[in-house]
Amino acid sequence: GAVVSQHPSWVICKSGTSVKIECRSLDFQATTMFWYRQFPKQSLMLMATSNEGSKATYEQGVEKDKFLINHASLTLSTLTVTSAHPEDSSFYICSASMNSYEQYFGPGTRLTVT
Amino acid sequence: QKEVEQDPGPLSVPEGAIVSLNCTYSNSAFQYFMWYRQYSRKGPELLMYTYSSGNKEDGRFTAQVDKSSKYISLFIRDSQPSDSATYLCAISTQGGSEKLVFGKGTKLTVNP
Repeated sequence: GAVVSQHPSWVICKSGTSVKIECRSLDFQATTMFWYRQFPKQSLMLMATSNEGSKATYEQGVEKDKFLINHASLTLSTLTVTSAHPEDSSFYICSASMNSYEQYFGPGTRLTVT
Repeated sequence: QKEVEQDPGPLSVPEGAIVSLNCTYSNSAFQYFMWYRQYSRKGPELLMYTYSSGNKEDGRFTAQVDKSSKYISLFIRDSQPSDSATYLCAISTQGGSEKLVFGKGTKLTVNP
């Protein structure tokens, strides 16, 4: 149990376009979802925390107008990278929590902006 | 000073060795400590979770927390090639379901 999926697993897009990444909790209802970014050989950095039905809370330095997060249901959160640029190329990972002690992580989405 | 420091390695050991992975943290408000394993191009997987000083054992894995020194460790006994991965420590002030602060990760290779 406690499976989190992400789609797509990898995506290549052109500079200036927008990309949407989906995060789904498959067998539980996630009251809180988290979005992380991981650069090569770096740790996971929290971008934002989202609770179902409310606005996401962004970490300092993360542009909320560039990284749009929607948590419309208890099983789905989306991250949209708007007007992507090469420096946005990274590994984006979501996690989901159902008010237990654990966050369940998705497999990640590798974004390459050309 | 970073909130959590972790030696990135890489660490290479022979099969069967005992592996010691460590992190230090700076803020005594952190009360919850986790170790995650991450295989290449995959999401992290929770290995160990603890919130008190002392040792917690799970099979070949032992997590150790010393709150007075702000030092946490993960020991892997009888290491196997399948243990080859990046190990990340994570800490939280309010529990594992809240905001986590991750260490940089230590890349471990266990050679057969």
